[in-house]
Amino acid sequence: SAVISQKPSRDICQRGTSLTIQCQVDSQVTMMFWYRQQPGQSLTLIATANQGSEATYESGFVIDKFPISRPNLTFSTLTVSNMSPEDSSIYLCSVEDLLTSRGNTEAFFGQGTRLTVV
Amino acid sequence: KQEVTQIPAALSVPEGENLVLNCSFTDSAIYNLQWFRQDPGKGLTSLLLIQSSQREQTSGRLNASLDKSSGRSTLYIAASQPGDSATYLCAVRRGFQKLVFGTGTRLLVSP
Repeated sequence: SAVISQKPSRDICQRGTSLTIQCQVDSQVTMMFWYRQQPGQSLTLIATANQGSEATYESGFVIDKFPISRPNLTFSTLTVSNMSPEDSSIYLCSVEDLLTSRGNTEAFFGQGTRLTVV
Repeated sequence: KQEVTQIPAALSVPEGENLVLNCSFTDSAIYNLQWFRQDPGKGLTSLLLIQSSQREQTSGRLNASLDKSSGRSTLYIAASQPGDSATYLCAVRRGFQKLVFGTGTRLLVSP
């Protein structure tokens, strides 16, 4: 399995500001994803973080609001831009397909970032 | 479009009971199914992964079964403990596409 470090674990932010969340994996992985979990809801995929190229966003999510970087096979960032109270959620990093077990397609998650926008 | 439903939405049991959580999915053409545990305000911990060719997987007190043809999976927890209290999520994958998550079952095991 993979060990995923996600920072910060929680934050309280003022509306209109931006927050960057970091995701570091202890081994190289093929796939990295970012999810959002709104209060009382299940997980919704925001985007797939692609190494060295633009992320692939799901319907309803746009790059201007959620810019994503993935400079290498072990690290990614998600920025929540121009925040409003509606952005208050848990944001989760997920990885799949460790290069040591290609094709296993098991998903592993970080501990999440609990964001409150006031 | 794949839809995943979990029943019950919430469950409260006394310590020591055996219990079953249910997961139903509408499209039986899945690649695999994964069960997760989530503690309040935290990330997800992978419990069991069942490939489409498998019928069940076991890990300690947990046993997950898969019946693709009927679109169902169950998670059996034996001899429940207060530390099992959490939300349990199932997720299915079609091919190499994204995971589709269920609605979750919130479990409370009281001492």
